[in-house]
Amino acid sequence: DTEVTQTPKHLVMGMTNKKSLKCEQHMGHRAMYWYKQKAKKPPELMFVYSYEKLSINESVPSRFSPECPNSSLLNLHLHALQPEDSALYLCASSLSGYGGNTIYFGEGSWLTVV
Amino acid sequence: DAKTTQPTSMDCAEGRAANLPCNHSTISGNEYVYWYRQIHSQGPQYIIHGLKNNETNEMASLIITEDRKSSTLILPHATLRDTAVYYCIVRNLNTDKLIFGTGTRLQVFP
Repeated sequence: DTEVTQTPKHLVMGMTNKKSLKCEQHMGHRAMYWYKQKAKKPPELMFVYSYEKLSINESVPSRFSPECPNSSLLNLHLHALQPEDSALYLCASSLSGYGGNTIYFGEGSWLTVV
Repeated sequence: DAKTTQPTSMDCAEGRAANLPCNHSTISGNEYVYWYRQIHSQGPQYIIHGLKNNETNEMASLIITEDRKSSTLILPHATLRDTAVYYCIVRNLNTDKLIFGTGTRLQVFP
């Protein structure tokens, strides 16, 4: 089983709202990732958590706030977003951060900011 | 991480082999070659990866040249469901990162 589950699948939020995207995996993976993908562009790395600690932040604006409450869960808290933040947000996980371990992706959460 | 170069798009007839090339001339000895694909509106799907040797699994084969500066992903019998964007990615052994390039849009036609 290589399943990464993301909820919600679709989210529409106003620029003053606070919302969260959730990601869950039960594969015992200790590295988890958030990516952002705009239409017709490749996914862009946002954050990496390794053993529940933030290991990489790719200079993401503070209106995106990641959280890893335990080894199976990863959240992305959203606040004061802009319409240009509308995108597909992808969560992924791997056994560990070692480059030989495969990274598995969820189906994504479609975010629309109005 | 080393950069990759892929053709923007390719076509393949259904039932034929699809051969997707990738150049990674600056690859270093501690970097893997990974292939993912993304079907429209879905998350990226892992296909295969390799370090030096050729690899095969139930989805595809990966052929890496001896100097490791290029590779080819082979889908032996393409179907319409293989229509997708295919990403070739070079990933360092010691990194958490997986950085996507622009990929090849493969169109399989009947």
